[in-house]
Amino acid sequence: GAGVSQTPSNKVTEKGKYVELRCDPISGHTALYWYRQSLGQGPEFLIYFQGTGAADDSGLPNDRFFAVRPEGSVSTLKIQRTERGDSAVYLCASSSPGTSGNEQFFGPGTRLTVL
Amino acid sequence: GIQVEQSPPDLILQEGANSTLRCNFSDSVNNLQWFHQNPWGQLINLFYIPSGTKQNGRLSATTVATERYSLLYISSSQTTDSGVYFCAVATWTGANSKLTFGKGITLSVRP
Repeated sequence: GAGVSQTPSNKVTEKGKYVELRCDPISGHTALYWYRQSLGQGPEFLIYFQGTGAADDSGLPNDRFFAVRPEGSVSTLKIQRTERGDSAVYLCASSSPGTSGNEQFFGPGTRLTVL
Repeated sequence: GIQVEQSPPDLILQEGANSTLRCNFSDSVNNLQWFHQNPWGQLINLFYIPSGTKQNGRLSATTVATERYSLLYISSSQTTDSGVYFCAVATWTGANSKLTFGKGITLSVRP
């Protein structure tokens, strides 16, 4: 596609439920990043994929958060037993290391609200 | 980890005025990007500028890597320039270039 796409754009769930957020990167981009942005703050890094493998998951806040990228393209961020503190905008970015100096391009985000 | 400070935190301009936004960072970087976050939350790429100077229309940016700062210049501001401007940097660790963002600068341009 022309840009990074994310679905859904909005997700409202109840505390304790499971959610999945999807990211479709720019075609051909091998690097994929997930970030989380809370109100009034800059985005914060969660996890980085190079190809199919999670090369750096140091930003995941706890083991309720997990992400996969099974075919090296689309990625899914999974959150178990959601808590109200998980409410935020979840952003996905992709890049092509080695070209354009690894400039990252962001999707529109998924706004998650946990009631 | 690397620290990013942006100043000023808030800026109010009259349409047509010029402004300078500053980004200071605490370590050597391999990636520096300026973004504009529009009212719908979309992060729009303005510049990829780990060093040097670039210009794009009314916007220009300069990064002095040896002194660890970057400047974003907005000339002849328009109301559509309103929003939050983020500076984000990365240090190269293997192939990972995860970005660390500043807290942003909220710009309001009044007609």
